[in-house]
Amino acid sequence: QVQLQESGPGLVKPSETLSLTCIVSGDSISSYYWSWIRQPPGKGLEWIGYIYYSGSTKYNPSLKSRVTISIDTSKNHFSLNLSSATAADTAVYYCARGNGNSAFDMWGQGTLVTVSS
Amino acid sequence: QSVLTQPPSVSGAPGQRVTISCTGSSSNIGAGYEVHWYQQLPGTAPKLLIYDTRNRPSGVPDRFSGSKSGTSASLAITGLQAEDEADYYCQSYDSSRGVFGGGTKLTVL
Repeated sequence: QVQLQESGPGLVKPSETLSLTCIVSGDSISSYYWSWIRQPPGKGLEWIGYIYYSGSTKYNPSLKSRVTISIDTSKNHFSLNLSSATAADTAVYYCARGNGNSAFDMWGQGTLVTVSS
Repeated sequence: QSVLTQPPSVSGAPGQRVTISCTGSSSNIGAGYEVHWYQQLPGTAPKLLIYDTRNRPSGVPDRFSGSKSGTSASLAITGLQAEDEADYYCQSYDSSRGVFGGGTKLTVL
């Protein structure tokens, strides 16, 4: 079955760029939408944005100026870059299949990223 | 605050029926966008429970059901079990972005 696995640094300094990758296994990354979603400790879920296998993207307007999502179909993975990180970006970051209009039907296990000096 | 409004907590005894509401507006649920529900057990990733308002993915018990009316949606759980104790989130679409409710903590008494 399809599995998603996030990877990246668990600690990022303020003002630096938070970078994560989601490796998709068990199926091709093509023909689907792929999203990033985050959850601050003890809080609810926030959709960050999605990318289609073709490369088209859509971002949450509240984060749009700082977010870039990219995809590498040859490696079956997609990535998140969030620039100018602050403590408010500390969260568990999940990658998921879906675009926010359709349901998120597959999720990674999540990775905690802490923004701190 | 969240675009979709959920009660912070609900509770029920084993075997009972509970419902969780999800209130939106004319720009999301009321605009005809579908509603999806997720169950998040402590320390784990959310799991899709209901998609497109009322459909269950394979493996989800029929004790879970969803409905929608106007600008609101509901998740119903019948025959409550201890293993149902979790956080539940509704999700829809609004202004070109995915939006979630704030989450509801279900306690099984």
